[in-house]
Amino acid sequence: DTAVSQTPKYLVTQMGNDKSIKCEQNLGHDTMYWYKQDSKKFLKIMFSYNNKELIINETVPNRFSPKSPDKAHLNLHINSLELGDSAVYFCASRGLAGPGGELFFGEGSRLTVL
Amino acid sequence: SQKIEQNSEALNIQEGKTATLTCNYTNYSPAYLQWYRQDPGRGPVFLLLIRENEKEKRKERLKVTFDTTLKQSLFHITASQPADSATYLCALGSNTGTASKLTFGTGTRLQVTL
Repeated sequence: DTAVSQTPKYLVTQMGNDKSIKCEQNLGHDTMYWYKQDSKKFLKIMFSYNNKELIINETVPNRFSPKSPDKAHLNLHINSLELGDSAVYFCASRGLAGPGGELFFGEGSRLTVL
Repeated sequence: SQKIEQNSEALNIQEGKTATLTCNYTNYSPAYLQWYRQDPGRGPVFLLLIRENEKEKRKERLKVTFDTTLKQSLFHITASQPADSATYLCALGSNTGTASKLTFGTGTRLQVTL
């Protein structure tokens, strides 16, 4: 029983294409995140949703559009892919509403833009 | 600007010794700090949480300290084992209502040898 699952695990595509990554959590958590980990392993927050509402939107190009159809799902759509978008994208969820709640991460989706 | 720094160089230690990893931060007043472990090709996994009013936390062979004056956290693994080899990430947490945001350091790779 995977708590936070992402698909696809690997994605190789050409510059200019549009792609989506899906994330689902079965933990009953209210808050979900997208993080990007670059080649230097730096993990940077992109978006956060709480119960389908966008609550954190870091400085991310408009080409990135998150969508949360329900609180168990948070998808990431990327338009007009660029070389610099190549990275591992991690989805995470958090259950504790107050301070200190730990994040549960998915296994990551490695995106390679050629 | 906010900075979270961890040893960029890998830490190599012998089995049975205590590993000490450092996390320093500037221009930041975190409400709490967390440590995560990340294995190659996997998502980060939560290890420990320490809040701003706590000095030390322990869990089995793990110990974390948090000095808000020095703006530093130390993460210790006692009686280290080869299975402890991984990248360890510190993450600082701030809270704005439900928008709890974790900002990660770049991680330190630990290698435990026989």
